[in-house]
Amino acid sequence: DQQVKQNSPSLSVQEGRISILNCDYTNSMFDYFLWYKKYPAEGPTFLISISSIKDKNEDGRFTVFLNKSAKHLSLHIVPSQPGDSAVYFCAASVGPYSGSARQLTFGSGTQLTVLP
Amino acid sequence: DAGVTQSPTHLIKTRGQQVTLRCSPKSGHDTVSWYQQALGQGPQFIFQYYEEEERQRGNFPDRFSGHQFPNYSSELNVNALLLGDSALYLCASSLAPGEYNEQFFGPGTRLTVL
Repeated sequence: DQQVKQNSPSLSVQEGRISILNCDYTNSMFDYFLWYKKYPAEGPTFLISISSIKDKNEDGRFTVFLNKSAKHLSLHIVPSQPGDSAVYFCAASVGPYSGSARQLTFGSGTQLTVLP
Repeated sequence: DAGVTQSPTHLIKTRGQQVTLRCSPKSGHDTVSWYQQALGQGPQFIFQYYEEEERQRGNFPDRFSGHQFPNYSSELNVNALLLGDSALYLCASSLAPGEYNEQFFGPGTRLTVL
């Protein structure tokens, strides 16, 4: 049972345009959401996160939107750059905090290709 | 700062064998989590070690076990290997406590079971 779903395996966008990556979840106990980026032969690197008490979080070119009623979050990258080409993973975590690091549940990823 | 390091990079084993993977956390980090990433899938949580104890565990059989050493490094052991254990094994480290402290991932160990 996939609790975090990324239904688009791939996305191609022209340089300078907006990239929108989507993620759906089924577990209503998730209260913290993250996006990770992964280049080949490297581990995932943290990009941006959002707590369930917010509906938007922005960091430079990256914005994450959370729609709790729809159990949907999205990552917007504006403007997209060729260096953004990577696999993007959506991840979620169930509260409350256990005292150590949060256990993350990942989606299957979306390969973003930004065309020059 | 070397970041999270894992060894070996690649490993080939046969069914029924046992394997040990190693992880050194980022400098200053004391918590290590292990994930399995099958081909075409996202990472799946195996377990987490903090203060040399297993703190959380995902839906993995007892064939998967681990250890954390006093220097915070960690090992993942898998016994009686199955073909389905072929995957990229990722280690992530963080500093506890800190509910939203970032988890840093290593490059992973690619395990192939023949």
